[in-house]
Amino acid sequence: AQSVTQLDSHVSVSEGTPVLLRCNYSSSYSPSLFWYVQHPNKGLQLLLKYTSAATLVKGINGFEAEFKKSETSFHLTKPSAHMSDAAEYFCQGFQKLVFGTGTRLLVSP
Amino acid sequence: EADIYQTPRYLVIGTGKKITLECSQTMGHDKMYWYQQDPGMELHLIHYSYGVNSTEKGDLSSESTVSRIRTEHFPLTLESARPSHTSQYLCASSESWSRQYFGPGTRLTVT
Repeated sequence: AQSVTQLDSHVSVSEGTPVLLRCNYSSSYSPSLFWYVQHPNKGLQLLLKYTSAATLVKGINGFEAEFKKSETSFHLTKPSAHMSDAAEYFCQGFQKLVFGTGTRLLVSP
Repeated sequence: EADIYQTPRYLVIGTGKKITLECSQTMGHDKMYWYQQDPGMELHLIHYSYGVNSTEKGDLSSESTVSRIRTEHFPLTLESARPSHTSQYLCASSESWSRQYFGPGTRLTVT
């Protein structure tokens, strides 16, 4: 069975500083992993996906994630946070349609 | 980007009413899904469909029902709404196992 765990329910950063949102997965086979962003009162928007083609995946809005099999992780990063990045972020393991519990990113001026 | 639509976007109704939440997509996707999401909480899969006349229950037990008579349409029905049904309902579709496309959601409040 596949599951994903988002390690932080809230992450607070200052504008212009790096962002790190953590996701660990458990899977008995090569996973498909996704990161989505959800702004208030909106649906989910795909940021990026990992499907075993490359371990470093670049997404939209300057986000990227690195698949690390040895650490069973797929953390989402961005070098410099922007106010518009404040939202809820969800990691998903697609084979079982499983979402993590979400991480709320707060960005302060 | 996504051609997946949900109506209504917001709905406030009284207890005991029957409601149907609409979801439609124009991408020809075989797979469609319904998720329930309480404010600030995770998404729970409540129903999914792999094609016409195929429906399955998801991980979270729900009193709602779904139907899939047409590829593009996947409505969710509550026969008798209760305050415990107050939540956001997100519809999604996908082509094979590549990624899901999400609708904007329906925020339901039952008074």
